[in-house]
This record gives sequence, structure tokens and C-alpha cells, in this order.
Amino acid sequence: DAGVIQSPRHEVTEMGQEVTLRCKPISGHNSLFWYRQTMMRGLELLIYFNNNVPIDDSGMPEDRFSAKMPNASFSTLKIQPSEPRDSAVYFCASGASYSNQPQHFGDGTRLSIL
Amino acid sequence: DAKTTQPTSMDCAEGRAANLPCNHSTISGNEYVYWYRQIHSQGPQYIIHGLKNNETNEMASLIITEDRKSSTLILPHATLRDTAVYYCIVSQYNAGNMLTFGGGTRLMVKP
Repeated sequence: DAGVIQSPRHEVTEMGQEVTLRCKPISGHNSLFWYRQTMMRGLELLIYFNNNVPIDDSGMPEDRFSAKMPNASFSTLKIQPSEPRDSAVYFCASGASYSNQPQHFGDGTRLSIL
Repeated sequence: DAKTTQPTSMDCAEGRAANLPCNHSTISGNEYVYWYRQIHSQGPQYIIHGLKNNETNEMASLIITEDRKSSTLILPHATLRDTAVYYCIVSQYNAGNMLTFGGGTRLMVKP
């Protein structure tokens, strides 16, 4: 059974460039979460989707960040324009909001903005 | 969601039981206790969760006090591969299982 799949695993780009991170949740899960992890701030929830609809985006840091979930099997997190302070590991997780079963996380995308 | 308090770090000898405490004194009746761990550079890994009864699975045991204000995660025979940051989180499952991660406990298993 495939887990949450994220791509790319690593991304290095120059500031000002657009960055797109991708996530494929576990089949059958109806909730999807994007997190960011830095040394300074730890693991932070950025945005949460339920049934492909954004429910809580209060953690999205700025308008430069946007997330979409066009269907149940795919989500993107986009940063445009990127800045060095966006450098972090970005995790995607999926879960089943209709139960108490836990979220499962992908392996993350390590993003470096030069 | 209720907040949790965990020790910053702990050591454990290989082969011994690791007992990781967590305080969640403001937990409400419909909040579950979840435990995750994160091994360096990997995504958080689910370990176990519970509401009020003690739980056990192939990875660990979870002991929740009767008043639910604290819990203990037990790794019965710690190995070097259990070295990780362990997070205790309380969450309302009917709120979409949103998780708020604190600082966690850095467990170092030593030979």
C-alpha cells in the first residue's frame, strides 16, 4: 500500500523563482495537510483540505503561498516569488476526517532558496 | 486543541524500556492523544493513539491516566533505531484530525 508521495524530494532554486511542490495522498483519504518544518519554528500546519476544499489556511504565511487540490489524488503548494526565508522541509500528510485514524506523512520536500 | 508538555530530551539504554511522559492537563472529553516520532530528515511517523483506555500495538504501549491529564508512551525494548524526536499531540478527531506539533522529546538510545 503506497503511502503519501511527495515530489520533488529536493529542490534548489534562486530567489524570485516560482516553486511548485506536489503531493499524492493515500487512496481513500479525504483530508490533506501541508506542513512546513524549520529549525526555528518546528513543524507548522500551513493549510488543511477536506474533500478537496480548503478548510483552514490560517497558517499560510503570505500571499506568495498558494495551495490547490484539484482532485482527491493530487495537491500542489506553490510559492511565487520564492525568498530565501522560505527554505525549509515541506511535508504533506493525508488522513480520514470521518474517523479517529491518524494522519500519515510523506517523506517531505527539502527546499533551498538561494 | 489542548496543549501538551514534554521533557526536552531523554536518554535510554539499548534493550531497556523507554518511558516518555506527556502532560495534557487541559484535555477535553472528545480529544484523543496521538504519538508520532520523527527520525532525522524523515516525515513524522505515527506510533499510537488513544482516548482513555490503555493501548498497545506492535510499536509501543500508551498508558493514559484515569483523569486523562497525562500519558506515557512506552517502547518496551528500545533499540538504536528508536533514537528520534517523539511528539505527543492532543486533537479532536472530528475537527479533521488537525495536529499541532510542539517541541517534542528528543530520545537518545545509547549502546
